[in-house]
Amino acid sequence: DARVTQTPRHKVTEMGQEVTMRCQPILGHNTVFWYRQTMMQGLELLAYFRNRAPLDDSGMPKDRFSAEMPDATLATLKIQPSEPRDSAVYFCASGQGSVGQPQHFGDGTRLSIL
Amino acid sequence: DQQVKQNSPSLSVQEGRISILNCDYTNSMFDYFLWYKKYPAEGPTFLISISSIKDKNEDGRFTVFLNKSAKHLSLHIVPSQPGDSAVYFCAASAEWRSQGNLIFGKGTKLSVKP
Repeated sequence: DARVTQTPRHKVTEMGQEVTMRCQPILGHNTVFWYRQTMMQGLELLAYFRNRAPLDDSGMPKDRFSAEMPDATLATLKIQPSEPRDSAVYFCASGQGSVGQPQHFGDGTRLSIL
Repeated sequence: DQQVKQNSPSLSVQEGRISILNCDYTNSMFDYFLWYKKYPAEGPTFLISISSIKDKNEDGRFTVFLNKSAKHLSLHIVPSQPGDSAVYFCAASAEWRSQGNLIFGKGTKLSVKP
């Protein structure tokens, strides 16, 4: 089965450091989503792309977060500078970009900011 | 302002019995609904979906029911098995958001006891 691959699986770093999370979507999927899961908010959409173009990043704190798709096989989510409140699990998902088509999730990056 | 609500954070069921997980939504524009299952340290995996033109969809032990007038859907698992123990997320999509964006509930943790 094709899978979405996320790296790293775990990241622990100190406040103020830059964090980069990577995602390899499923080949042939044209839509990529970044979610953040916290105990309080559940799964929140941060940003998503279609055909590598950003469609919506309204869920993302733009002063410190940035999301890009340098090519069709790589999506990145960066936090600079990182803060303790950014500690969460970050999921990437990919899909075919049409209503009703299920998104396929990676196993997430567990981020801890000390 | 939560558009998709799962009001029960947890549910415990005996093996072999029925598990019923509930979900309410507020946005009448939603016309496609999905359930995802999530095990610890893994990403959510797609389970079953239903379009608003239907009121029931069945796949093996899993059945989703949709009551549009009440803006309510439920997932029935019969019979429940210990391997079904996981967090279940309800998600909704609106046709005008043709990119396939999903709004998630906060999840219900199901425990199936042997």
